[in-house]
Amino acid sequence: ETGVTQSPTHLIKTRGQQVTLRCSSQSGHNTVSWYQQALGQGPQFIFQYYREEENGRGNFPPRFSGLQFPNYSSELNVNALELDDSALYLCASSLGTGGEGGYTFGSGTRLTVV
Amino acid sequence: QKEVEQNSGPLSVPEGAIASLNCTYSDRGSQSFFWYRQYSGKSPELIMSIYSNGDKEDGRFTAQLNKASQYVSLLIRDSQPSDSATYLCAAVQGAQKLVFGQGTRLTINP
Repeated sequence: ETGVTQSPTHLIKTRGQQVTLRCSSQSGHNTVSWYQQALGQGPQFIFQYYREEENGRGNFPPRFSGLQFPNYSSELNVNALELDDSALYLCASSLGTGGEGGYTFGSGTRLTVV
Repeated sequence: QKEVEQNSGPLSVPEGAIASLNCTYSDRGSQSFFWYRQYSGKSPELIMSIYSNGDKEDGRFTAQLNKASQYVSLLIRDSQPSDSATYLCAAVQGAQKLVFGQGTRLTINP
């Protein structure tokens, strides 16, 4: 059984650029959620994908968008990067949208915007 | 009022003692609760899940849930230096959104 994998692990981008982060869900999990964690804070919910559709969204602007593929892997896209987008981006997979059995997190992507 | 609130600490406990971490939540509709441990620079790791009122024990860890008081706690018995980390309390809201507290930084002193 494979865990949740995220790529890349680290990324440095310039303000105004666009970025794509990738996530492969744990085997058997059909739901992927994305979180942003700023330094010293708890993770903040960005959105969740289930059956290739967005299934709930947190308080993030439309320049944060995502996709889920038939194999349940997912992408997070952020356009027009701002300095405040610098954070650890976490992907979590679960069996079901309510997190039955818990959410398993990947190791994260550390994004730095300069 | 924050949706999930934790004392940010730091909480310092001597090795071998009991560490007690507390959390309150605002959404009475939440039914599922989790405790995650996060080491510096790493991703959160699930320690405990709890869905019903009362206590749930797993090794040195005990989670407690009181839905009437909207309170969740985590007890760590026989604390070890390796337990030093940030502990995140989380509640499922709206059947899909996992809402986290800001985390409590725990230090176990040898």
